[in-house]
Amino acid sequence: EAGVTQFPSHSVIEKGQTVTLRCDPISGHDNLYWYRRVMGKEIKFLLHFVKESKQDESGMPNNRFLAERTGGTYSTLKVQPAELEDSGVYFCASSQDLRDTQYFGPGTRLTVL
Amino acid sequence: AQSVTQLGSHVSVSEGALVLLRCNYSSSVPPYLFWYVQYPNQGLQLLLKYTTGATLVKGINGFEAEFKKSETSFHLTKPSAHMSDAAEYFCAVRRVQGAQKLVFGQGTRLTINP
Repeated sequence: EAGVTQFPSHSVIEKGQTVTLRCDPISGHDNLYWYRRVMGKEIKFLLHFVKESKQDESGMPNNRFLAERTGGTYSTLKVQPAELEDSGVYFCASSQDLRDTQYFGPGTRLTVL
Repeated sequence: AQSVTQLGSHVSVSEGALVLLRCNYSSSVPPYLFWYVQYPNQGLQLLLKYTTGATLVKGINGFEAEFKKSETSFHLTKPSAHMSDAAEYFCAVRRVQGAQKLVFGQGTRLTINP
């Protein structure tokens, strides 16, 4: 069974540009989570999808971040326009049921110059 | 609000020595508790978790952790360190009811000296 996959693994962009991160959860997992780790800080929750619906988006830092999960399969996280402080590693996780273990992807390392 | 504190951002032990990584949490009610590990160039992998039942939990690769409610702790141990244990370790909590987001500690980077 394939694990959670994320694309790209690395992205380097200029301040003001747009970047879209993609996450493919484990097949059949209705719950999808986005987390972020800014350099030197702890991993922080961004948002939680149940199928295509946003269950909890309390961690989204501001309106420059837009997450979607059309069709309840893969998810995208768009940052527009990117700022320097958005640099970090973005993790995606999925779980089958609400209280099941969350399985993490390898992360996307975003560098904003 | 929940929070997690991992004492020591860097821990160094000799190969064969005891590994002890400390985790304390703050929560209004006892949460579910997790340890994840991130090996170089890989994603987060679940080491072990405590939800209910026995407070001493065994995980993969010889690690175990004990939930101590009175001390609000969930320290991770391994009797004998191996070079392959070098990684970053994260303690996390999650509510039993309600929001299912994980709240992480700052992480502890474990170095194993030969």
